Amino acid sequence: DSGVTQTPKHLITATGQRVTLRCSPRSGDLSVYWYQQSLDQGLQFLIQYYNGEERAKGNILERFSAQQFPDLHSELNLSSLELGDSALYFCASSDRDRVGGNTIYFGEGSWLTVV
Amino acid sequence: LAKTTQPISMDSYEGQEVNITCSHNNIATNDYITWYQQFPSQGPRFIIQGYKTKVTNEVASLFIPADRKSSTLSLPRVSLSDTAVYYCLVPSGNTDKLIFGTGTRLQVFP
Repeated sequence: DSGVTQTPKHLITATGQRVTLRCSPRSGDLSVYWYQQSLDQGLQFLIQYYNGEERAKGNILERFSAQQFPDLHSELNLSSLELGDSALYFCASSDRDRVGGNTIYFGEGSWLTVV
Repeated sequence: LAKTTQPISMDSYEGQEVNITCSHNNIATNDYITWYQQFPSQGPRFIIQGYKTKVTNEVASLFIPADRKSSTLSLPRVSLSDTAVYYCLVPSGNTDKLIFGTGTRLQVFP
């Protein structure tokens, strides 16, 4: 158990809908990272927050947005969903804003299926 | 950007030592190299991290040459349960983007 909690574990929704994925980082961790992993594909970096502020952005679609709240949990909002958005979405956390010599810890992911 | 390059796949047999090399030619001075293991439908799991020379823990060793442009993950005496995808991760330049490479799919046979 990495200490990173993601909910829901599984989600099935229709095209055009909007969903919210939630992540609770490890206790004390200030950074949250979001990744997307489609079937048999690699990990695509989406976005990173540090202590409530956006710190780095990857190839995140405009239909997707995220935020980190004062209690440090984070939410990834996916809207106008398309079939191609079906993927495993991972959250990871670390205690710093830059990896350097520390480690990021991943949650078990949220499976999103768009039908 | 510290792009990483790894072999797409490797095969091995139980009991053998497996070495997976990752190249990261543009690694920054202060950056560490971290390796992760991922099983299907699970989150990546930290294996080992190092800055230079050699690091060893209970599951693996990490060898980093003096120029730090590559690193080699060494798994001693692999078992079937080591079948997974292995990623090396180096921060991208002076940003906080943690971009994973394609990873190496290791298949261990009996």
